Amino acid sequence: GAGVSQSPSNKVTEKGKDVELRCDPISGHTALYWYRQSLGQGLEFLIYFQGNSAPDKSGLPSDRFSAERTGGSVSTLTIQRTQQEDSAVYLCASSWASGPSTDTQYFGPGTRLTVL
Amino acid sequence: GQQLNQSPQSMFIQEGEDVSMNCTSSSIFNTWLWYKQDPGEGPVLLIALYKAGELTSNGRLTAQFGITRKDSFLNISASIPSDVGIYFCAGHGSGNTGKLIFGQGTTLQVKP
Repeated sequence: GAGVSQSPSNKVTEKGKDVELRCDPISGHTALYWYRQSLGQGLEFLIYFQGNSAPDKSGLPSDRFSAERTGGSVSTLTIQRTQQEDSAVYLCASSWASGPSTDTQYFGPGTRLTVL
Repeated sequence: GQQLNQSPQSMFIQEGEDVSMNCTSSSIFNTWLWYKQDPGEGPVLLIALYKAGELTSNGRLTAQFGITRKDSFLNISASIPSDVGIYFCAGHGSGNTGKLIFGQGTTLQVKP
């Protein structure tokens, strides 16, 4: 299919380890977003990419969180020294452009992260 | 920061019944979106609203953008078992990045 894909679908790690989560957006989409969804909660914005640059990182909860995007396509969200409170579903979305009343954000299925 | 308050938190209804859920905010939003999330999947857009007072339908779904731009509702008529899932309202945050602010979600269960 041509939708947003994320890997891995599930990740179990030990507290203190680093993890990398990957997002493959829809081909041609220039805008890419990362959100976090804790159990029973709505989605919480983390970071936004336009091309390879990240003009809005305001949602990253701490300096243990970082993300990059290369070639205007694939993005990687890295969490260093994971903590139990990092356990959540991490969702990626992409769209043709950004901004209000512009294109629909299409979401991937998410990566479920469990920190033991 | 901007927040959306969504209610009810959960609903358990009989097949065929109509459903209504709503979102409110203390600040103005310029767009209102309604998403549905099935288990193990990402949210899927149901309806997008861009103008205050706008009333939009998508099949059995109807949503309205409140006149004050601080609220929106979603109605589902004649519910069916496949309507089960979590429904989220969302609006575009401040600035022009397109980031979405989400409500806490309404979990809908439909009894056949």
